[in-house]
Amino acid sequence: SAVISQKPSRDICQRGTSLTIQCQVDSQVTMMFWYRQQPGQSLTLIATANQGSEATYESGFVIDKFPISRPNLTFSTLTVSNMSPEDSSIYLCSVEIQGEEKLFFGSGTQLSVL
Amino acid sequence: SQKIEQNSEALNIQEGKTATLTCNYTNYSPAYLQWYRQDPGRGPVFLLLIRENEKEKRKERLKVTFDTTLKQSLFHITASQPADSATYLCALPPTSGTYKYIFGTGTRLKVLA
Repeated sequence: SAVISQKPSRDICQRGTSLTIQCQVDSQVTMMFWYRQQPGQSLTLIATANQGSEATYESGFVIDKFPISRPNLTFSTLTVSNMSPEDSSIYLCSVEIQGEEKLFFGSGTQLSVL
Repeated sequence: SQKIEQNSEALNIQEGKTATLTCNYTNYSPAYLQWYRQDPGRGPVFLLLIRENEKEKRKERLKVTFDTTLKQSLFHITASQPADSATYLCALPPTSGTYKYIFGTGTRLKVLA
């Protein structure tokens, strides 16, 4: 299993600013994932973060808007850049432990952009 | 593309009754299907996985069925309790060559005391 610490848990930000979300895992994992969950909608994968290489972004998400760092096998950050009210959402980091066919999630970051 | 549907309307049931949640999918033949629980302000927590060759799986008061012909999974909570109130998500595994799980929108369950 994996325990994931994600912070901040919530934030209220002004339009045009950026927020960096941190995700710390209690074990080394190869793959880390960043999801967005908008009200009433399903979890949407933003990108897959691999240690030592650039993140792989899903359709509709770009690196300039959501830069991701993955400096080691236990840590990752997601930045939401130049925020607008449309970015208001819950952001979740997630990992999959090799051999375990399931995802472990952080507690999420509730972001509100004014 | 793959699509997964859950009843978006909230489900209210009386304590002690059995709650049944539905997950339907299209354009896919998954090797397995997962169910997660999500409480407000928290990330989803894995509950159960059922494989394509399993018709039913149980874990304590939870039971999941998987009908690959109907492309449907049912999630049952027997002897429901107010503590079971949460949103329940079903998810399909990534297709070959990807890491992208497909999640449903979830069904919010409220168990009334």
